[in-house]
Amino acid sequence: DAMVIQNPRYQVTQFGKPVTLSCSQTLNHNVMYWYQQKSSQAPKLLFHYYDKDFNNEADTPDNFQSRRPNTSFCFLDIRSPGLGDAAMYLCATSGRRMGSDTQYFGPGTRLTVL
Amino acid sequence: AQSVAQPEDQVNVAEGNPLTVKCTYSVSGNPYLFWYVQYPNRGLQFLLKYITGDNLVKGSYGFEAEFNKSQTSFHLKKPSALVSDSALYFCAVRVTGNTGKLIFGQGTTLQVKP
Repeated sequence: DAMVIQNPRYQVTQFGKPVTLSCSQTLNHNVMYWYQQKSSQAPKLLFHYYDKDFNNEADTPDNFQSRRPNTSFCFLDIRSPGLGDAAMYLCATSGRRMGSDTQYFGPGTRLTVL
Repeated sequence: AQSVAQPEDQVNVAEGNPLTVKCTYSVSGNPYLFWYVQYPNRGLQFLLKYITGDNLVKGSYGFEAEFNKSQTSFHLKKPSALVSDSALYFCAVRVTGNTGKLIFGQGTTLQVKP
């Protein structure tokens, strides 16, 4: 089945220690999104890639970076995690960025910062 | 500014009874509206969307939603609730333009009791 995969499902890191979260997709979608979700709140968009074009949200801290080496994979790098970065990180994909396109989400990675 | 509101933090229904989860929106132009469901420690699962056409949209797992332009609402409904429907539900609106960005409501927890 075509799907969005996130690894690992649970990640524990130490305060200030860089961490990378991974997302892969078999849908061959052009667009990949990263969301941050805290404590069952609404997901908040961090940034997205449209093909290789990176689009950052204005209020995303510099501490968060992303890479997309190919169509299938996208990574979220947190350079110096703080306690406030503990959250669920959700990856989503869509075929295009048009209004009617559905975003399909992966299962998420829950990040704990000690 | 575009926004989505879910006025109820929690909805409680008995199994077998009809359920409604409310959503109102504010957008410029034609709205693209979505409903997602999230189970504990999981990603968001797409339920249904309204793009254009028939105001009653049918989706997955027996859910449907009614688009009402005059009331700017997009309420999620199901004729007969199941205990397994208990989860967190998010309404979302697609931001106009070519970013593909979704704005989510704050979420409504649905509790279905046997």
